Amino acid sequence: NAGVMQNPRHLVRRRGQEARLRCSPMKGHSHVYWYRQLPEEGLKFMVYLQKENIIDESGMPKERFSAEFPKEGPSILRIQQVVRGDSAAYFCASSPTFPDRGPALYGYTFGSGTRLTVV
Amino acid sequence: GQQLNQSPQSMFIQEGEDVSMNCTSSSIFNTWLWYKQDPGEGPVLLIALYKAGELTSNGRLTAQFGITRKDSFLNISASIPSDVGIYFCAGQRAGNNRKLIWGLGTSLAVNP
Repeated sequence: NAGVMQNPRHLVRRRGQEARLRCSPMKGHSHVYWYRQLPEEGLKFMVYLQKENIIDESGMPKERFSAEFPKEGPSILRIQQVVRGDSAAYFCASSPTFPDRGPALYGYTFGSGTRLTVV
Repeated sequence: GQQLNQSPQSMFIQEGEDVSMNCTSSSIFNTWLWYKQDPGEGPVLLIALYKAGELTSNGRLTAQFGITRKDSFLNISASIPSDVGIYFCAGQRAGNNRKLIWGLGTSLAVNP
């Protein structure tokens, strides 16, 4: 596993269903970040997690969205009762340690994203 | 939420031309990053800048961290077709190292 793995790459859900997006960080990375990208826009921070802890969820909508990063297994971004406005690309990034000088120095790497379409 | 002001929004150039794009912010940043995103993929880091005034190159790419810490630019010299894509600036504010704040991107098209 050379990089951050996200699956599925594409996800279609009907309004009201649940969406579960998975992110496996790079080997040795214990910090995970989730970002959302709407069409024609940049990425917006959602949540920062370490193993079993949510460190910063200031970008997460207060309702319907949750994230976890268990001791074993991938990080999960869960969206309950999806609405059309949730349609977006969701990107996960990982880093090996708390980035004191910026994520790049410590290998802050993005996955290829999950494109969620709500119909 | 805050976003960086990135310009131009799009560029259409001839192969071999130089390209320049920039980002500005109303806040001071302690890190500026430039990413490229290809269709259907996640952003890939091109250049990272950590000090005001810093000028860094990566092949044909050159980026600078503005002296005021509120702006940065990216130059691409002698563009080639594979430079096509969307270029994003991203920054970290002083005292908040966990989040990246992003520009809206510059879409680059290169005519061979």
